[in-house]
Amino acid sequence: EDQVTQSPEALRLQEGESSSLNCSYTVSGLRGLFWYRQDPGKGPEFLFTLYSAGEEKEKERLKATLTKKESFLHITAPKPEDSATYLCAVQVVDNYGQNFVFGPGTRLSVLP
Amino acid sequence: KAGVTQTPRYLIKTRGQQVTLSCSPISGHRSVSWYQQTPGQGLQFLFEYFSETQRNKGNFPGRFSGRQFSNSRSEMNVSTLELGDSALYLCASKPGWGDTDTQYFGPGTRLTVL
Repeated sequence: EDQVTQSPEALRLQEGESSSLNCSYTVSGLRGLFWYRQDPGKGPEFLFTLYSAGEEKEKERLKATLTKKESFLHITAPKPEDSATYLCAVQVVDNYGQNFVFGPGTRLSVLP
Repeated sequence: KAGVTQTPRYLIKTRGQQVTLSCSPISGHRSVSWYQQTPGQGLQFLFEYFSETQRNKGNFPGRFSGRQFSNSRSEMNVSTLELGDSALYLCASKPGWGDTDTQYFGPGTRLTVL
C-alpha cells in the first residue's frame, strides 16, 4: 500500500533558526513528489514538484530535496510568516490510474 | 489568471440530508480532483474527473459522487449525510491527465453535519 509519513508532527522554531522537515514515502510507481503549504482554513498552496532522486528546488527561504525514499524541506532563517502546515504528497500510478497520496503534514510555528 | 473557486465556502446540514458542492477550475484546466480533509485522516482523495469522465476514485462509499461538465466545472454530491462527513472539501485542478502536471487547490468548502 502506498504510504507517506512526515516528521516531525509539529515544530516550533525561533525566528532565524533554520531546520528541516522530512517526508518519507513507500510507494510503487512514483511519478512525482509535491510540497504544499496550508494556512488554517485555506486550501493547500503549491510550493515545489520533484521528479527524480538528487533533484533540488529553491524558493526564497525554502529548499526541497529528493532521494529515493524521502524528501526534505529545508527552511533557512525562517520568519513568523512561514508558520503553516507543510504537506508532502506523492503522485503514483496504481490499478485505478493516477492518484495523489498526502502525508499528514508538519505544523510549523515560527516565533518572533 | 483566476484560481480555483469553490462554492459555497461554508455549509451546515443535518444528518440524512444531501449536499452538492461546486468547483470551477483554473481557466484551461481540464482535470478536477476532489479531496476530503479532516483532522484525524488528513487529506484523502475522493475522485478525479477529466473530460467529463471519472478517471480515478478513492476509497469512499457510494454516497459520494461527482460529475464534470463540458466547461470543466465540477460538482460533488454527498447523499444521506452522516456526522463523520463533516470536513473541509477541497477541489484541485490541473491542465491535463499527464503525470507531470501540478495540481492547484481551491479554498475549500467547510461542511458541518449536525
